[in-house]
Amino acid sequence: KAGVTQTPRYLIKTRGQQVTLSCSPISGHRSVSWYQQTPGQGLQFLFEYFSETQRNKGNFPGRFSGRQFSNSRSEMNVSTLELGDSALYLCASSKTGTGVGSSTDTQYFGPGTRLTVL
Amino acid sequence: QKEVEQNSGPLSVPEGAIASLNCTYSDRVSQSFFWYRQYSGKSPELIMSIYSNGDKEDGRFTAQLNKASQYVSLLIRDSQPSDSATYLCAVNTGRRALTFGSGTRLQVQP
Repeated sequence: KAGVTQTPRYLIKTRGQQVTLSCSPISGHRSVSWYQQTPGQGLQFLFEYFSETQRNKGNFPGRFSGRQFSNSRSEMNVSTLELGDSALYLCASSKTGTGVGSSTDTQYFGPGTRLTVL
Repeated sequence: QKEVEQNSGPLSVPEGAIASLNCTYSDRVSQSFFWYRQYSGKSPELIMSIYSNGDKEDGRFTAQLNKASQYVSLLIRDSQPSDSATYLCAVNTGRRALTFGSGTRLQVQP
């Protein structure tokens, strides 16, 4: 079974620009979560989507947004980029992502998109 | 207090030894617990998941969960140099999001 795929793998942008990152989950997985990883803050939760609905959102400014399509593929967008947005952006998929203590919770990560803001 | 705490290390063990990695969490309603391994420059890779108290073994890896003490650990037997990586403890508290510890860097000396 193919894993989680993310495109592009690397991006270089300048301050003030916007960027869109894409994620395709494992086949059959309906929950897609996004995380930001930086050396200083570690892995932090951005948001989670299930059946095209955002069910949970982390503590990030409104410049960070996302969406999910009917085929479970997801995109996240960052507008008005700042230097501090430079990070590894990770997408993870699970069957249900409910957190109720079953194997359907298990999140599998894609390879990530390395974003550099100059 | 951080929600998920790990010793940042580095934890250095000789090849063939047992590596013991520990994690504590603060939210008592947490239901799902995971260990991920992350090599430098790569994304996290799932090693183990555990949902109920006790031990769960998978090959050289054993996860231990004690909900009363809010403690989860990972034992790696017969450690190999290829096990050298950062190990991330992650907890799902039912909010459909994983909360990660800062990771423990493991170094296995040949």
